[in-house]
Amino acid sequence: GNSVTQMEGPVTLSEEAFLTINCTYTATGYPSLFWYVQYPGEGLQLLLKATKADDKGSNKGFEATYRKETTSFHLEKGSVQVSDSAVYFCALSDRGNRDDKIIFGKGTRLHILP
Amino acid sequence: NAGVTQTPKFRVLKTGQSMTLLCAQDMNHEYMYWYRQDPGMGLRLIHYSVGEGTTAKGEVPDGYNVSRLKKQNFLLGLESAAPSQTSVYFCASSKRAPSNQPQHFGDGTRLSIL
Repeated sequence: GNSVTQMEGPVTLSEEAFLTINCTYTATGYPSLFWYVQYPGEGLQLLLKATKADDKGSNKGFEATYRKETTSFHLEKGSVQVSDSAVYFCALSDRGNRDDKIIFGKGTRLHILP
Repeated sequence: NAGVTQTPKFRVLKTGQSMTLLCAQDMNHEYMYWYRQDPGMGLRLIHYSVGEGTTAKGEVPDGYNVSRLKKQNFLLGLESAAPSQTSVYFCASSKRAPSNQPQHFGDGTRLSIL
């Protein structure tokens, strides 16, 4: 079956540090891949997405590249800010199986220290 | 912009009581979802709907029922609340299948069962 595995947190970094949050997936079809972000007290919101191999999604300085050969979709940002403190979820939806659902990873909590 | 609205935001129940959580969206979305979020477990899908009058089971449907009588509303019912149902519940909607359209989330309902 389909699944998403992401690095456990919490991840604590200083402001302006480089961020990587690892995400790998297992899918039987042709997944679309997503990163969602959850700020304290709020619901999830889409951060970026990629729908086919080698696509790069980007938003708010964050980037992730769809790597089919390594089944990965790692999230990166060159210089984090305190306002990036949140929980980040990697997710997939399997287009090949016409799936109506999104499979979420367990989330990675990020703390940015000033 | 209302988006996805969940009612209530907080609730405390006693074991065995029943209640209904309401989700309303004003974006004319076809797909709607109910998730629960527990520490270390990420988001788990309870039930979902791909259109008015339809419902389907997700990953953890036991103890819950749902109804989608109107396109804009998706109700989640707990017939006999149990302490294991203490969680934060999120509703989400999307225009079409989530592989092509982002899910929009409400801000959550925090439910405690004593």
